[in-house]
Amino acid sequence: QVQLQQSGPGLVKPSQTLSLTCAISGDSVSRKNSAWYWIRHSPSRGLEWLGRASYGSKWYYDYAESVKSRITINPDTSKNQFSLQLYSVTPEDTAVYYCARVGGLGRYGGLDVWGQGTTVTVSS
Amino acid sequence: DIVMTQSPLSLPATPGEPAAISCRSSQSLLHTDGYSYVDWYLQKPGQSPQLLIFLGSIRASGVPDRFSGSGSGTDFTLKISRVEADDVGIYYCMQAIDTPRLAFGPGTKVDV
Repeated sequence: QVQLQQSGPGLVKPSQTLSLTCAISGDSVSRKNSAWYWIRHSPSRGLEWLGRASYGSKWYYDYAESVKSRITINPDTSKNQFSLQLYSVTPEDTAVYYCARVGGLGRYGGLDVWGQGTTVTVSS
Repeated sequence: DIVMTQSPLSLPATPGEPAAISCRSSQSLLHTDGYSYVDWYLQKPGQSPQLLIFLGSIRASGVPDRFSGSGSGTDFTLKISRVEADDVGIYYCMQAIDTPRLAFGPGTKVDV
């Protein structure tokens, strides 16, 4: 059974960096044709995709326009996890953050596994 | 960008009775492979979203057959044939045809 376990601080000061990690069990972050998302949920913006790391013969990274200038997603194959870094945060970045896996083998299978969610508050 | 809308936004449901949620996309979600790239998720209170339906009508593993998805193009429906108390939560539709750019609907809150 695939599980995603999130970790990271729940409070970040304005202008600092939000860092979260998603540890994977039961699957491999570098499985061919895998894709791994970070998504957030806030009352003002609803559910919003932030970025995706996907692996084919190499890594590919895609980021939402709304955060493209200040986001990085990093897979760590040695620890079988992937991370989110969101730089220069403001109170608008306050949200519940989720990691999620795209399911399916060779065909799209929905976001079939989600992390437990991390509530992140941006405040001084 | 594709915009997803849902109706109703609030749905009081009665145990044992059917219920339906509509979802509309601003662009067609029909792929050349013949599938509609729309998913349905349920977020139960205090939990992360869970996948119910993907590719328009395919139930995810472990999802009861009370749940069904239908529709094509820009109009989609999630139906619950007989609502149970455990079905409370917020239901979201999501488009995946514009992957990696996903877009979720605003959610429909179901109370039983």
